[in-house]
Amino acid sequence: NAGVTQTPKFQVLKTGQSMTLQCAQDMNHNSMYWYRQDPGMGLRLIYYSASEGTTDKGEVPNGYNVSRLNKREFSLRLESAAPSQTSVYFCASSDADRVGDGYTFGSGTRLTVV
Amino acid sequence: AQTVTQSQPEMSVQEAETVTLSCTYDTSENNYYLFWYKQPPSRQMILVIRQEAYKQQNATENRFSVNFQKAAKSFSLKISDSQLGDTAMYFCAPPIGSQGNLIFGKGTKLSVKP
Repeated sequence: NAGVTQTPKFQVLKTGQSMTLQCAQDMNHNSMYWYRQDPGMGLRLIYYSASEGTTDKGEVPNGYNVSRLNKREFSLRLESAAPSQTSVYFCASSDADRVGDGYTFGSGTRLTVV
Repeated sequence: AQTVTQSQPEMSVQEAETVTLSCTYDTSENNYYLFWYKQPPSRQMILVIRQEAYKQQNATENRFSVNFQKAAKSFSLKISDSQLGDTAMYFCAPPIGSQGNLIFGKGTKLSVKP
């Protein structure tokens, strides 16, 4: 069972470069999320998608864009990376009809912007 | 604003002893699920235990149990017979808003000493 797959696992970018973080889930979940984790800050929601074709801003959306390509895939794009975007990024998914199951997380992407 | 507070940034416990991690939160929802997640050094987010707010009985999963006080909006995690493998960051995650997206506390870093 693959669950939630994130790529890449590690990335180093120069300031101003762009990149897309990929996320795919194989559990037929309708909801997907992108979080960032910074030391002492917990996980903060960047964007989420309640269903295919919809996306909404979370707590810290500035500097990011997302695409819900289909039910399986939810990508996060940094158009012009900044050092403040150095973080660990997690993708997660959930079934809105089974709220008690909580979220399933990917293994994270450690992004460093120099 | 809906918030979650984990007041213990770091805790330490001897192997085989019991430790309790605290969490308080604020939500305007009436029926919801709360979760504790564990993040070991591998970085993977692992669901430890869930509690349905509608149920008065505290949830238990093997050595893990919660003390859920709905009126006080308190949701603490008790780990009994602590093991070295319990060493990890622990995050409390109640829901926020009508969408039910999870909000994560800043975490408690638990170290289990041999």
